[in-house]
Amino acid sequence: GAGVSQSPSNKVTEKGKDVELRCDPISGHTALYWYRQRLGQGLEFLIYFQGNSAPDKSGLPSDRFSAERTGESVSTLTIQRTQQEDSAVYLCASSLDNRGNYGYTFGSGTRLTVV
Amino acid sequence: AQTVTQSQPEMSVQEAETVTLSCTYDTSENNYYLFWYKQPPSRQMILVIRQEAYKQQNATENRFSVNFQKAAKSFSLKISDSQLGDTAMYFCAFIPNSGNTPLVFGKGTRLSVIA
Repeated sequence: GAGVSQSPSNKVTEKGKDVELRCDPISGHTALYWYRQRLGQGLEFLIYFQGNSAPDKSGLPSDRFSAERTGESVSTLTIQRTQQEDSAVYLCASSLDNRGNYGYTFGSGTRLTVV
Repeated sequence: AQTVTQSQPEMSVQEAETVTLSCTYDTSENNYYLFWYKQPPSRQMILVIRQEAYKQQNATENRFSVNFQKAAKSFSLKISDSQLGDTAMYFCAFIPNSGNTPLVFGKGTRLSVIA
């Protein structure tokens, strides 16, 4: 597609439920990144996928968080047993190569609210 | 580990005036890239400007320019002839050329352009 697409745009869920967030990167982009942005804060790295290499999961805050990517296409970020502190905007980005030296293209994010 | 510091949480500027946003970073790398991203209320992260560390010439994109001081590890953004549409969060970001780490962001500066 023309840009990075994320769905849903907004999600309200009850505490304890599981949620799945989706990201469609730009076609041909080999690297994909997930960031979390709490209200009024900066971007916190969660996980990234570089082509066929093993993903870097070093930013995932707990074992309730996981992500998958099928080849060089769509990625899903799953949060199990959601907590109120998980409320944030989840941003996905992609880059043409694994270095990302030309910057990333971001989606518009999914705003997750846990009530 | 690389860190990026933005010491100005909020700034304001009169329309048509010039404003400078500060950013410092810490790294032991010699070759890297620096970026400024703009995030308006729509949440979309927009790449404003990019600087290659091995280039001494400061990057310029229309009304946006940077003052890159490699020895001081400083990378400030100057916005000339400020417009109401420049109102947004601005994030400074860093990535080493090694390509093994994702973009590292500062906490952001909220800029308000006042009519």
